Amino acid sequence: NAGVTQTPKFQVLKTGQSMTLQCAQDMNHEYMSWYRQDPGMGLRLIHYSVGAGITDQGEVPNGYNVSRSTTEDFPLRLLSAAPSQTSVYFCASSPPPGGAEYGYTFGSGTRLTVV
Amino acid sequence: GNSVTQMEGPVTLSEEAFLTINCTYTATGYPSLFWYVQYPGEGLQLLLKATKADDKGSNKGFEATYRKETTSFHLEKGSVQVSDSAVYFCALVYGGATNKLIFGTGTLLAVQP
Repeated sequence: NAGVTQTPKFQVLKTGQSMTLQCAQDMNHEYMSWYRQDPGMGLRLIHYSVGAGITDQGEVPNGYNVSRSTTEDFPLRLLSAAPSQTSVYFCASSPPPGGAEYGYTFGSGTRLTVV
Repeated sequence: GNSVTQMEGPVTLSEEAFLTINCTYTATGYPSLFWYVQYPGEGLQLLLKATKADDKGSNKGFEATYRKETTSFHLEKGSVQVSDSAVYFCALVYGGATNKLIFGTGTLLAVQP
């Protein structure tokens, strides 16, 4: 099925460990982004990309890295996990000319716990 | 800066009651406005949208009108069902090429039979 696929769905990390959250879309969307969802704070933008090879920081980028080598994939890397990064992470994508007309398509999320 | 403010929940209603969830925004220019819904354990789904002033978005019995004069985009439904129980997020997109999506904090709706 076409859409945004996130893996894994659940993950437990120890403080200081690193990991990569995977995100892939098969809709040829140029715009992709990562959000974290925390209770009482809605969704906050971590990083986003307007096309392959182009990324930029969102509202809460510290502790996270991204790259966009292909149109389809937009992985999110945690270099040294901290308990403050315990959250639910959502990847989203949108076709050109962007979310203003079509909104975004979201993945089903990754629930990350850092102990 | 650009932001979205929506009413705090939870909102608890009986089945067939009328629903209003308030949403106001602050933005430069003319953003596009959205309502997203998140059912328990799932990701976000686009519920409806409006891209210019006075537009009315509608879907599944839900409606919202883009009111530029009051900078509002309130969500309404005439008769809610138990299956409408979810978290509802108001959001806006601004920024031209960057198209950043800015969310409100979400409102939990619980519908009782």
